[in-house]
Amino acid sequence: GENVEQHPSTLSVQEGDSAVIKCTYSDSASNYFPWYKQELGKRPQLIIDIRSNVGEKKDQRIAVTLNKTAKHFSLHITETQPEDSAVYFCAAFNDYKLSFGAGTTVTVRA
Amino acid sequence: DAGITQSPRYKITETGRQVTLMCHQTWSHSYMFWYRQDLGHGLRLIYYSAAADITDKGEVPDGYVVSRSKTENFPLTLESATRSQTSVYFCASSKTSAEYNEQFFGPGTRLTVL
Repeated sequence: GENVEQHPSTLSVQEGDSAVIKCTYSDSASNYFPWYKQELGKRPQLIIDIRSNVGEKKDQRIAVTLNKTAKHFSLHITETQPEDSAVYFCAAFNDYKLSFGAGTTVTVRA
Repeated sequence: DAGITQSPRYKITETGRQVTLMCHQTWSHSYMFWYRQDLGHGLRLIYYSAAADITDKGEVPDGYVVSRSKTENFPLTLESATRSQTSVYFCASSKTSAEYNEQFFGPGTRLTVL
C-alpha cells in the first residue's frame, strides 16, 4: 500500500515568517494530494489540494508544489498568522483511498 | 460540515465490552470511511465502504466490524474493546472516490477504554 512520510513533526515560526512542510509518497500511481488542517479538538478540513498533472497551486497565502518524479510534495504558508497554528496533514490518493502523513504541529509565535 | 454527524461524541467503556460508534451523512455520498487518530500516527484507515452492502478493510481493521445497510449510515463496532483501541475516531464521506474527490470529516468520537 501507499506510504506517506511527513516532515517535520513540529514547526515553530515567528509571526510573518514562512512555514514549509514536506511529504513523500511511495506509490507512483497516487494521483491526488490534499492537505488538511486540524485545529485543536476539531475535525480535519481541506485547505488545498493538487492533482498529479499540476506542478504548483496557490490560494492566497498557501501554496502546494508537487514533484512527481521525486514523489514528493510540499505545503508553503507565507506571512504566517496566529490562526495558522494547527496540525497539518498531507495525504496521497490511491486505489480509492487516502493515506495520511503523521502530521506537523505548527506553532506561530507572536 | 453539518451533513456528517457522529455519535456519541465521547464514550468511556471497559475492556471486553462491545461498543458501536455511529456515523450518519445526509449528502448521499457513495463512499464512507472510518479512521482512528493517535498521536504520532496521523489518521489511519480502519474500514471503508464504496456503497451500501460493500465494505473493505483498510490499514488497521483488526478488532473492528462495520456494516452499511443504508447509504447514509456506516456504524463501526468494537466487538470486544481493548485499551489499545482508546483513540479518536473520525468518520468521513466522499461523493465518489473515483478521482480527486474531497473527503468530508465528521466531528469525531473520543473513545476511552479502561
